[in-house]
Formats: sequence, structure tokens, C-alpha cells
Amino acid sequence: KAGVTQTPRYLIKTRGQQVTLSCSPISGHRSVSWYQQTPGQGLQFLFEYFSETQRNKGNFPGRFSGRQFSNSRSEMNVSTLELGDSALYLCASSFLEGSNSPLHFGNGTRLTVT
Amino acid sequence: SQQGEEDPQALSIQEGENATMNCSYKTSINNLQWYRQNSGRGLVHLILIRSNEREKHSGRLRVTLDTSKKSSSLLITASRAADTASYFCATDRKDSNYQLIWGAGTKLIIKP
Repeated sequence: KAGVTQTPRYLIKTRGQQVTLSCSPISGHRSVSWYQQTPGQGLQFLFEYFSETQRNKGNFPGRFSGRQFSNSRSEMNVSTLELGDSALYLCASSFLEGSNSPLHFGNGTRLTVT
Repeated sequence: SQQGEEDPQALSIQEGENATMNCSYKTSINNLQWYRQNSGRGLVHLILIRSNEREKHSGRLRVTLDTSKKSSSLLITASRAADTASYFCATDRKDSNYQLIWGAGTKLIIKP
């Protein structure tokens, strides 16, 4: 079974630009969660999608948005990038929504904002 | 506020020794999970323990949960160089729609 795939692996953008990250979950998983990981703040929850509906949202500004497609693939978008958005963005899929089953993580997208 | 907090922040031991990491949390939980992360990569799920369970094993891993003390421990026995990684606990909070809250992690270094 293929794991969670995130693309691109690395991304360099400048302040003010926008970026879209992609995540393909494990086949059969309908829940996709997104996390931001930085050395200073650790792992921060962004949002969770289940069956194309946003089920939970973390404490991030509206510049961070996401969506999930009917095949469970998900994208997240960050608009008007700031230097502080530089981070490792991790996507995780699971069979059940919420905390009821283990998360399977991709290797992340490393975003650098200059 | 941070729900799960691991300690120690860093741990360095000799190969073959046992490593113990602890996680404390503040509110009632449904379950607690432990994950491992190798440098710059995604996290790998290790064990999920539910609030009505006290201990779970998986290979060289043993997790305990004490809900009265709101704490959990992860024991890795007979450590190997490949166990070098950061270890995170994640707890769900019944008052936050079971969203997972993550600790800052314990960085484990196994010296050959």
C-alpha cells in the first residue's frame, strides 16, 4: 500500500506570494489533517478534512486554507506569505476522523519564505 | 496552552540501554498516541493507548498510561542506533472536538 505522498518536497517563495501544497492520502483513508512544524512552535494543527468537509480547524489566520477532493486528495493554500510561514508542512491521513485512529504522515513539504 | 509535555527534552544513552520518556497532559482525554520522527521527515505512529487501558506493548516498546496522574511513559528496551529520533506524544482533548494536541518532543540520541 502506498504511503502518504506530499508534493512538492521543497519550495522557496518570496514574501507576499501564495503557495499551494498537495497531499495524497493512503488509499481508503478519508481523513486528511495538516500540520505546521517549526523549531520554535513545534507541531501545530492547521485543519482536518473528512469526506470533503472541514471538521476541525486550528488557530491559524485566514491566509491558511485547505480543501479536500472527492478522491480524498487534499490541498492547502497559504496566501500573502510571511517570513514566519517558513516551516515543514506535514499532511497525515487516517481511516477515521479525529483522534480515533493512528495518523499516517507524509514526509512533508519544506517551505522557505525569503 | 500545551496539552502534552514530554520530558526529558533530550536524552542521550548508550546502545543497548533502555530509554524512558514521559508525557504529561492537563485535561481528560480519549486516547494518547506516541510517534517517532527522524530528522526532517514525517512522523511514524508507534502506539495508541486508550483512556481505559493501562499498558500496551509493541516489540521493544512499552507504553503505560496513568489517567489519575495524567501521565504516560514510553519505554524503549535494548536501544539501537536506529532508535535515534525525536519522540512525540499526542493527546486528544474532549473539550476540543478530539483535536490532537502535541508535545514538544523528546530528542533521543543512541550512542554506539
